[in-house]
Amino acid sequence: DAGVTQSPTHLIKTRGQQVTLRCSPKSGHDTVSWYQQALGQGPQFIFQYYEEEERQRGNFPDRFSGHQFPNYSSELNVNALLLGDSALYLCASSTGQVPEAFFGQGTRLTVV
Amino acid sequence: QQQVKQSPQSLIVQKGGIPIINCAYENTAFDYFPWYQQFPGKGPALLIAIRPDVSEKKEGRFTISFNKSAKQFSLHIMDSQPGDSATYFCAAAENYGGATNKLIFGTGTLLAVQP
Repeated sequence: DAGVTQSPTHLIKTRGQQVTLRCSPKSGHDTVSWYQQALGQGPQFIFQYYEEEERQRGNFPDRFSGHQFPNYSSELNVNALLLGDSALYLCASSTGQVPEAFFGQGTRLTVV
Repeated sequence: QQQVKQSPQSLIVQKGGIPIINCAYENTAFDYFPWYQQFPGKGPALLIAIRPDVSEKKEGRFTISFNKSAKQFSLHIMDSQPGDSATYFCAAAENYGGATNKLIFGTGTLLAVQP
């Protein structure tokens, strides 16, 4: 079992650009959540996808959007990047059967 | 009301000691309380979790104590080892309908276990 996989592991973008991050959930999981973790902070919930629909959303602007595909993988898109978007972006997968959520290794995004 | 307050911010113990990390919450709708361990450059790894219908749960060297009336829970690490040195996060969620709701994380505790 490969667990939750995210790509890329590191990314450097210029302010104003757009970025797409990808996540493959753990085998058997159908729900994907995205979190932003700033340096020295706890992860902050961005949104959650289930059955290809955004089910919940945290306090993040519309510049943050996502998508879930029929195979349950997911993308996080961030438009008009700001310096403050620099963070570790984490994907967590889960299933409706049990509450446990498992995280990937994250994508370190640096905006310059 | 959605916050989870975690303390201490950092902790140093000797090998074999029992570090204790505390968390407190306000939202009485929270009904799932996991702890995660995170090493530098890695994603958080689920350690142990508890529901409010029990007061204590043990898994290996890790124990969660839960006080529903005080709205507090804590992590104890028995016989701590240098390999336990990491950042620990408590979290809380409303686990409605069996689906995982969003996790609200504490601010983290940086633990250092000295040899």
